[in-house]
Amino acid sequence: GENVEQHPSTLSVQEGDSAVIKCTYSDSASNYFPWYKQELGKRPQLIIDIRSNVGEKKDQRIAVTLNKTAKHFSLHITETQPEDSAVYFCAAPSLDNYGQNFVFGPGTRLSVLP
Amino acid sequence: DSGVTQTPKHLITATGQRVTLRCSPRSGDLSVYWYQQSLDQGLQFLIQYYNGEERAKGNILERFSAQQFPDLHSELNLSSLELGDSALYFCASSVRPGGYNEQFFGPGTRLTVL
Repeated sequence: GENVEQHPSTLSVQEGDSAVIKCTYSDSASNYFPWYKQELGKRPQLIIDIRSNVGEKKDQRIAVTLNKTAKHFSLHITETQPEDSAVYFCAAPSLDNYGQNFVFGPGTRLSVLP
Repeated sequence: DSGVTQTPKHLITATGQRVTLRCSPRSGDLSVYWYQQSLDQGLQFLIQYYNGEERAKGNILERFSAQQFPDLHSELNLSSLELGDSALYFCASSVRPGGYNEQFFGPGTRLTVL
């Protein structure tokens, strides 16, 4: 079944710097990769997603890149701000269940230091 | 606010007891997912329903069960509770089933087993 790994588990950056979080997946048939942000004590919220027919997608300071050959995708946050501090989860469809649900990565705790 | 509601917000109970968590999906969403998030852990998929029928199962214990009712709300029943069941339980919904659709998360129910 699908296995999603995520690195690093924790990341600290200075305000204004960039942050990059990388995920790898195992099933080459997966074709949709969302990123969720979870602030402390709150619900996970989708911040960006990418489908396999594109290699990159941007939304203001956030971008996601996908390398289908290497089976990895990355979240890039530029000009980080304190409100970017949160846990970020990547996900991929679980093809064990015919793509009915996501398998989430273990999460990356991002701290943006002022 | 995602439009997904969960009750109760907090639940404190004793080992061996049984509890029921309730979820109402966003208006128009037919698919409901349940996740367990233990302290500082990732999102573990438990079970998924679509229009009243079970569609996918994850790592759900036999002591746990769920159902989706004709009005599309869902309940997660946890019985013979153990200390290790203490966690945040999230419900999410999507318009259609499948790991290709954005999932909207509810605020969660924090369960504490003493």
